[in-house]
Amino acid sequence: GAVVSQHPSWVICKSGTSVKIECRSLDFQATTMFWYRQFPKQSLMLMATSNEGSKATYEQGVEKDKFLINHASLTLSTLTVTSAHPEDSSFYICSARSMGWDSFQLYEQYFGPGTRLTVT
Amino acid sequence: SQELEQSPQSLIVQEGKNLTINCTSSKTLYGLYWYKQKYGEGLIFLMMLQKGGEEKSHEKITAKLDEKKQQSSLHITASQPSHAGIYLCGAASSSSGGGADGLTFGKGTHLIIQP
Repeated sequence: GAVVSQHPSWVICKSGTSVKIECRSLDFQATTMFWYRQFPKQSLMLMATSNEGSKATYEQGVEKDKFLINHASLTLSTLTVTSAHPEDSSFYICSARSMGWDSFQLYEQYFGPGTRLTVT
Repeated sequence: SQELEQSPQSLIVQEGKNLTINCTSSKTLYGLYWYKQKYGEGLIFLMMLQKGGEEKSHEKITAKLDEKKQQSSLHITASQPSHAGIYLCGAASSSSGGGADGLTFGKGTHLIIQP
């Protein structure tokens, strides 16, 4: 199956600093990547949709200036948490959708292993 | 907005027994994904269903989507310790078609296999 990697797998940072998380599709090209957040014992919540070469689309309630997304190539999307605070501590997971443009075709989505962010 | 309800929330099954997990949507599903997650790890893709009445199987796991496309079930036959984990169903929105949207997830079913 398709492989999606994330780096780093965990990070601890001080309040007020910024953290960058990378999401890579290793063996396929992904036109679209998604960023999710998961709090302990809760399900995944979609934060934003990242499209290669265009601006990300953010879900309601997600601050675009705080969570900066860059999808610079068909295999890499980055999420930068700016001026992180303890309430941003969470498990961040990305997923990548295989390439395609058929509006009626459902495409498989593959998830990365996640990045655990702890802000002290 | 679309909501997915999974049942049961948790399940303890003796090894070798069969089990079923259900996922019910508040709206007609455009598509339905099943994933498995171990706590603190990423999601493992299991199956994707799009057509009403569709059924897919992989090894000992079978997933079905009902004709009305509002309910899906995941059935595991002869459960093994390797099946333990959290099972999540995710719905694809039809707002833009093609599964181009991110997924809405249920809260998950925590499966424990007793030896």
